[in-house]
Amino acid sequence: QKEVEQNSGPLSVPEGAIASLNCTYSDRGSQSFFWYRQYSGKSPELIMFIYSNGDKEDGRFTAQLNKASQYVSLLIRDSQPSDSATYLCAVIGGYSTLTFGKGTMLLVSP
Amino acid sequence: EAGVVQSPRYKIIEKKQPVAFWCNPISGHNTLYWYLQNLGQGPELLIRYENEEAVDDSQLPKDRFSAERLKGVDSTLKIQPAELGDSAVYLCASSLDPKNIQYFGAGTRLSVL
Repeated sequence: QKEVEQNSGPLSVPEGAIASLNCTYSDRGSQSFFWYRQYSGKSPELIMFIYSNGDKEDGRFTAQLNKASQYVSLLIRDSQPSDSATYLCAVIGGYSTLTFGKGTMLLVSP
Repeated sequence: EAGVVQSPRYKIIEKKQPVAFWCNPISGHNTLYWYLQNLGQGPELLIRYENEEAVDDSQLPKDRFSAERLKGVDSTLKIQPAELGDSAVYLCASSLDPKNIQYFGAGTRLSVL
């Protein structure tokens, strides 16, 4: 069973702070890594994807991948109350199946 | 460009009744997915289609669930008969191919009473 692990939270940060969301995965053959944001009662929407080791930045979001440690993270700079949502880590493994973690709830307080 | 379209958005049925969900993927997307999402959990794959072929249905409870994707475009997911434990959100997603980004529809929230 391929596993994707996330801390369920909630992770509480004040407005303007950096939020750090972490994810580990068990399948060493995983090639593609995604972060989805899901607001309550809504469907997941893609925030970032990363394929190679290192950092990838897009606006206030930075995805970090370390395949040796089987670890992927998402940093949100200058967090806003509108960032409050559940963040889902998802990994495409060796069988081209996208496996999701349970998600981390982020709460950004004004 | 239209996104993934699902209907209905909400469905309330009594247990043992049948129910069907419909999905229209993004135009040109060959791969279509049905996921189940329970409260507080991430989406779990039920079935994946590549064109009209079901290539991964290992997590689909085949005694009561069935799916089809005629002509490799729209898809329907059916439950017959529904059980109380089937109450969840059913999400449809599509992508250009299995290794590409998946885009999700709004989902169907099913309540079985």
